This record gives sequence, structure tokens and C-alpha cells, in this order.
Amino acid sequence: AQKVTQAQTEISVVEKEDVTLDCVYETRDTTYYLFWYKQPPSGELVFLIRRNSFDEQNEISGRYSWNFQKSTSSFNFTITASQVVDSAVYFCALSEKGYTNAGKSTFGDGTTLTVKP
Amino acid sequence: EPEVTQTPSHQVTQMGQEVILRCVPISNHLYFYWYRQILGQKVEFLVSFYNNEISEKSEIFDDQFSVERPDGSNFTLKIRSTKLEDSAMYFCATNEEQYFGPGTRLTVT
Repeated sequence: AQKVTQAQTEISVVEKEDVTLDCVYETRDTTYYLFWYKQPPSGELVFLIRRNSFDEQNEISGRYSWNFQKSTSSFNFTITASQVVDSAVYFCALSEKGYTNAGKSTFGDGTTLTVKP
Repeated sequence: EPEVTQTPSHQVTQMGQEVILRCVPISNHLYFYWYRQILGQKVEFLVSFYNNEISEKSEIFDDQFSVERPDGSNFTLKIRSTKLEDSAMYFCATNEEQYFGPGTRLTVT
């Protein structure tokens, strides 16, 4: 069974601080996807990144960066120089390849990030 | 990212009424999913659909729920007799890449 743990329920930082959101996952599959989504108060899930299990390269996109480490089953997300607009709930998710070759996603509980001016 | 669309964006219904939520998936995708998110909680898997049949469903997906792809394009989720606890955001997604739609906010009064 797959499981995603986001141990940080809430994080509060002051603008311009760096912040890292942790994600630890469990899976028996060797082929899977990992995701991060941002959910603003309006409710939609804003896609941030999708990472294939075979691609362990870290990724940087502007102020966002992701650190994927299979050895520790972690996929952490860092926001550099945080801004008030980064305030949202962030979800990490895992999708295994199911027997139909396309598996469902399992989400973590989410981390509520508040960035204060 | 390709777009998945969902209608309506917000649906208000009375308890006991039937609702149908619609999703227009990406045209050449074959795997479809519905997820639910109760306010303040995490996103939960409801059902997956492939080759015109359910491939997997969660324990949440009881006899009140059904899915179909009636015309080869729209993918629908029907709740036969809504309950207060069905109030939630409902998200549609496609394929293993999990392209998510914007969601439908269902409010049952």
C-alpha cells in the first residue's frame, strides 16, 4: 500500500525567508510518480511538479526547488525568498502504476504555509 | 500542462437530490479518476475508470455513487441521493500523469 507523510501541518515564515516542506513516501513499486500541488483558498489544485521515480535529478523552477532522494524516500520542496502569495496549502502525492498500468494518487495531509509580510 | 475541464464549478443541492458532476478529460487519455476533498481535509481517491469500466474504487465509493462515460468524451460522477456529508470538492484527473481538473464544489443543504 502506498502512503505519503507530510509531517509539518502548519508552517509560518516571514517574507523573504526560505522554507522547506517535507514529504516522505512509502511504496512497494519501483515505478511511480511523485507530485506537489498548491491549493490556494479558491480550492483548485495547482500543479507544481511531477517527478518520475527513475529521474532523481533535483529540479529548480524560479524560486521553487525539489529534492528527490530515493534512498530516504523523500521528495522535499523548498521555496526560496518566500512571498505572501506563496501562502496556501501544499500537498505532496504519490501515484503508483496499478495493475491497469495507471495507478491512483495518494495524497499527504497537506502543509499549510503562511507567509507574513 | 494539458487541460481537464469540469462543470459545474459550484453546485448547491438539497439533501436527497441526485447530482451529476461532469469532467471533460484530455482527448486521447484513457484512464480517468475521481477524487474528493472534504473542506480542510486531504484529497481522497474515489474511483478509477478504464476501458469503460471501473478498475478500482475506494470504500468511500458506495452504491450511491456511479461513473460513466456516456458519449466517449464526458466522464461523469453521479451521486444518487446526496447527503450532507457529500459536501466537498470533487476533482477529476486523467492518466498516470494525473492531470487534475479545477474541481466542482458540491454543497448539500
